[in-house]
Amino acid sequence: KAGVTQTPRYLIKTRGQQVTLSCSPISGHRSVSWYQQTPGQGLQFLFEYFSETQRNKGNFPGRFSGRQFSNSRSEMNVSTLELGDSALYLCASSLVVSGSNEQFFGPGTRLTVL
Amino acid sequence: DAKTTQPTSMDCAEGRAANLPCNHSTISGNEYVYWYRQIHSQGPQYIIHGLKNNETNEMASLIITEDRKSSTLILPHATLRDTAVYYCIVSNFNKFYFGSGTKLNVKP
Repeated sequence: KAGVTQTPRYLIKTRGQQVTLSCSPISGHRSVSWYQQTPGQGLQFLFEYFSETQRNKGNFPGRFSGRQFSNSRSEMNVSTLELGDSALYLCASSLVVSGSNEQFFGPGTRLTVL
Repeated sequence: DAKTTQPTSMDCAEGRAANLPCNHSTISGNEYVYWYRQIHSQGPQYIIHGLKNNETNEMASLIITEDRKSSTLILPHATLRDTAVYYCIVSNFNKFYFGSGTKLNVKP
């Protein structure tokens, strides 16, 4: 079974631009979560989508948004990029919808904002 | 928002057991304890999770204290490839708050 895939793997943008990252979950997984990892803040939860609905949300500004499609694929968008948005963005999918569940992480998208 | 406390780093000799502690004194009754590890800047890798009982799989064992306020991840025979940052997380839903983790250094 194929793992979680993320595209693109690397991205360079300039301040003020916007960016869209894509995540394809493991087949059959309906929950997709997004995380941001930076050296200073570590791994931080952004949001989680299930059945095309945002179910959980972390403490990030509204510039960070996401969506999920009917095939469970998910995208996240960051508008008006800032230098501090440079990070590794990780996507994770899971099968079980509540309680006990394993999240399977993708390799991440490395975003650099210049 | 992390609800866990872990030592910053630990050393372990290759072939010996690595015991990684985690404190989660504010854990709620329906929250599970998860362990993940991250090697370099790859995506975190699931290791094991549990609620109350001790758990074992092909990678590791998880020992949870009776009051559930702390747990220990045990890698029975550490290898150099187990060098990584290990994260202990408590969650009852798909909302993981990662702490700083423990950097495990396995030495020959």
